[in-house]
Amino acid sequence: AQSVTQPDIHITVSEGASLELRCNYSYGATPYLFWYVQSPGQGLQLLLKYFSGDTLVQGIKGFEAEFKRSQSSFNLRKPSVHWSDAAEYFCAVGESRGRRALTFGSGTRLQVQP
Amino acid sequence: ETGVTQTPRHLVMGMTNKKSLKCEQHLGHNAMYWYKQSAKKPLELMFVYNFKEQTENNSVPSRFSPECPNSSHLFLHLHTLQPEDSALYLCASSQANMVTDTQYFGPGTRLTVL
Repeated sequence: AQSVTQPDIHITVSEGASLELRCNYSYGATPYLFWYVQSPGQGLQLLLKYFSGDTLVQGIKGFEAEFKRSQSSFNLRKPSVHWSDAAEYFCAVGESRGRRALTFGSGTRLQVQP
Repeated sequence: ETGVTQTPRHLVMGMTNKKSLKCEQHLGHNAMYWYKQSAKKPLELMFVYNFKEQTENNSVPSRFSPECPNSSHLFLHLHTLQPEDSALYLCASSQANMVTDTQYFGPGTRLTVL
């Protein structure tokens, strides 16, 4: 079965600083990978996704992520964080065949200092 | 309305009550999902419906009873719940006949069981 690890439970960065959130996955075949963001009391909003092709994917709100097969990673990055980016971020893996459900990591809570 | 909507947004119920959660998607999708999000735990898949047929039940207790009358609506009927069932219940939808379908989430129903 697939699994997702987000090693950082909580990260604090200063506004304007760069950001990298880590995600490692375990899946035997080519994974489908997603990053979602959740603001307090809200549902999950899709930031970006990787299915195939270019390993560097661009998403909404200035986020990008890079798929590295050799490292089983799909880290999320943003060059300059805004206060409105404070939220919880979830990495998820979907199967390329078989069941349709996503497996989520435990999430990383991002705090932005002024 | 657009996207995925869920009602009610907040629900407080006693252990002997019967209540229902409603999800509606306005995206023309044909697959719908229920997820449970508890504090300090990853999102857990509960049920998957594909073209109104249940295709996955992730060992969910029978006090949770899903219903999918058509591809746009999904219900979760609740009966004799326990306090540990208090959580955010998220509905999602996707276009399941695509190889690379993406799930879109509603805002969730915050359930408190007294």
